[in-house]
Amino acid sequence: DAKTTQPTSMDCAEGRAANLPCNHSTISGNEYVYWYRQIHSQGPQYIIHGLKNNETNEMASLIITEDRKSSTLILPHATLRDTAVYYCIVRVRDDYKLSFGAGTTVTVRA
Amino acid sequence: NAGVTQTPKFRVLKTGQSMTLLCAQDMNHEYMYWYRQDPGMGLRLIHYSVGEGTTAKGEVPDGYNVSRLKKQNFLLGLESAAPSQTSVYFCASTRDRGQVEQFFGPGTRLTVL
Repeated sequence: DAKTTQPTSMDCAEGRAANLPCNHSTISGNEYVYWYRQIHSQGPQYIIHGLKNNETNEMASLIITEDRKSSTLILPHATLRDTAVYYCIVRVRDDYKLSFGAGTTVTVRA
Repeated sequence: NAGVTQTPKFRVLKTGQSMTLLCAQDMNHEYMYWYRQDPGMGLRLIHYSVGEGTTAKGEVPDGYNVSRLKKQNFLLGLESAAPSQTSVYFCASTRDRGQVEQFFGPGTRLTVL
């Protein structure tokens, strides 16, 4: 599996957009980019995924660069409840396994 | 639907004791997983199951055993607990291999003294 690199931590102001970067320079053509988040002491929660096109759902937007070597998760209007660890994961769609790195600790401040 | 539930929520063991963690899901999912999470780290896969009666090893299987006698339940056993097994344990499930989202339980916090 391709590995990902994320910043250790970042702060964001409440009500502003939070842009979370992820590098995955060795991603293969059939590997998707997934984002999960883990709010303190809870199980991880799926956010969004994509292959090469930009994706949007009710939680976030995912922007993948044309060369697919990096991506950005966008939380459009961050709230205090978005404070969590965010994991960027790459894997083949039908692989059973999710490989979690250390993720990015996002703190949303009032 | 309750989703994925885990029992117990907290447990303290002494070195050498045994215990079983129970994971239950009510979504009729085929795949189930056990992960552990150590402080400041991501989740690591211990064992997984692709259906009733099947189990397979993940990244860190040593010191653990699992069983999937019923489709809705996945048990994780520690036969002789060690301090290195102090961790938070998460169970997850997916409908099938290709389902995008893994559904996670709330976790079991285990301390081995």
